Amino acid sequence: KQEVTQIPAALSVPEGENLVLNCSFTDSAIYNLQWFRQDPGKGLTSLLLIQSSQREQTSGRLNASLDKSSGRSTLYIAASQPGDSATYLCAVNSGAGSYQLTFGKGTKLSVIP
Amino acid sequence: NAGVTQTPKFQVLKTGQSMTLQCAQDMNHEYMSWYRQDPGMGLRLIHYSVGAGITDQGEVPNGYNVSRSTTEDFPLRLLSAAPSQTSVYFCASSYSSWAANQHFGDGTRLSIL
Repeated sequence: KQEVTQIPAALSVPEGENLVLNCSFTDSAIYNLQWFRQDPGKGLTSLLLIQSSQREQTSGRLNASLDKSSGRSTLYIAASQPGDSATYLCAVNSGAGSYQLTFGKGTKLSVIP
Repeated sequence: NAGVTQTPKFQVLKTGQSMTLQCAQDMNHEYMSWYRQDPGMGLRLIHYSVGAGITDQGEVPNGYNVSRSTTEDFPLRLLSAAPSQTSVYFCASSYSSWAANQHFGDGTRLSIL
């Protein structure tokens, strides 16, 4: 059974710092990996989707990498801002025909002005 | 651009009552799903549908029922509410491919007394 772990569970950084959020998964036979952002009391907003054949995806100040063989993904946030404060979730899709996403429990990020 | 719309946003039920959580999407997505989010548990898949008339169980289907009579709508029914079903429920949809981004609604916060 696929398991997804996110470390740390919470992170607090001063504004302007670059930071890395980590995601690991136990079964490397994934189809894709998706990073989401969740604001308090809100739904999930998709940030980046990485297919299993890709190594990284970039969107603005966000860069996500994927190392399937080691079962790891990282989300890099450059020049953090208070508006980046949210919970970040990673989720993996474990194969063709499997529509189920397996989620990690998230990393709660606080960016201090 | 409505995206995925969930109603109601909040609901309080008594044990044993039944209710239907509504989910509608206007993106002509074939795939729709229901997740529940509990503290310390992450999101878990309840039921999903790969198209009108086709549904299947996810990880935690007991106590829930679904149907998909149209592409747009995917209601989730609680048959006899129990306190263990107190949770935040999210509906998601994606284009007809497991490679596509998942789009989430804002959630329904449900309390069972």
